[in-house]
Amino acid sequence: DAEITQSPRHKITETGRQVTLACHQTWNHNNMFWYRQDLGHGLRLIHYSYGVQDTNKGEVSDGYSVSRSNTEDLPLTLESAASSQTSVYFCASSESGGSETQYFGPGTRLLVL
Amino acid sequence: AQTVTQSQPEMSVQEAETVTLSCTYDTSESDYYLFWYKQPPSRQMILVIRQEAYKQQNATENRFSVNFQKAAKSFSLKISDSQLGDAAMYFCAYRSGLTGANSKLTFGKGITLSVRP
Repeated sequence: DAEITQSPRHKITETGRQVTLACHQTWNHNNMFWYRQDLGHGLRLIHYSYGVQDTNKGEVSDGYSVSRSNTEDLPLTLESAASSQTSVYFCASSESGGSETQYFGPGTRLLVL
Repeated sequence: AQTVTQSQPEMSVQEAETVTLSCTYDTSESDYYLFWYKQPPSRQMILVIRQEAYKQQNATENRFSVNFQKAAKSFSLKISDSQLGDAAMYFCAYRSGLTGANSKLTFGKGITLSVRP
C-alpha cells in the first residue's frame, strides 16, 4: 500500500545544530508540504513543493529550508536549531487536481535544548 | 487571506449521543474545499470528511456528516452515535479551489473532543 513516512519519529538536539527531518511518500504525489503543530496554533505551513525542483515558503518558513530532488522525498532542514523550533512536524502530500486532499505522515517530535 | 476559526477549544459527549463541532471561515473566494481531520492520541492526522463548496449537498461518511452553510461561511461536523474511539482533537481546514492557486491548507486551532462512557 502507498504511504507517507517520516523519520526520525523523535529527535533531541542542541541549539545551533543543523537538523534534517525526512519525509518519503510512495503515493507518487506531486504536492508535498511541511507543517508544524504547536499548542494553541493548530498546524502552520512551513514550506511546500508542487514538483521536482519546486519549493515555496509558507507562513512560518524562517529558519527552515527544503529541497525537492525527486518526487518521493521532501527533507526539511533546520539550518541552526533554536528552542522556538521545538515542535511536532508533519509532512503531507497530495495529488494535483480536484480536491487535492492531503494525506499526512505520522509526525516527528523535535526537542531543541 | 483565508482564516479558519474553531471557537470551542473543548467539548464533551456521552457515548452513543450526538455532538456537533463548529467551524467558521472567512474567504472572498467562491470555489474552495473544506475538510475535517481527526488527530487521536497517536498524533496521526486522519481525514474524516471533505466538502466541495460547489456542492449543495452536505457530505456524509458513515456516522460523520457536515452542515455546510456557504452564505454563513459555516462548516460544522456532526458525529452521531459517538464512540470512545472518537475521542481526539478535530481540525477544520480550508483549501482554495482557484485554478493555479496553491494547494496549501489553512487550519483552525482545533477542538478537543472527549467521550464519556
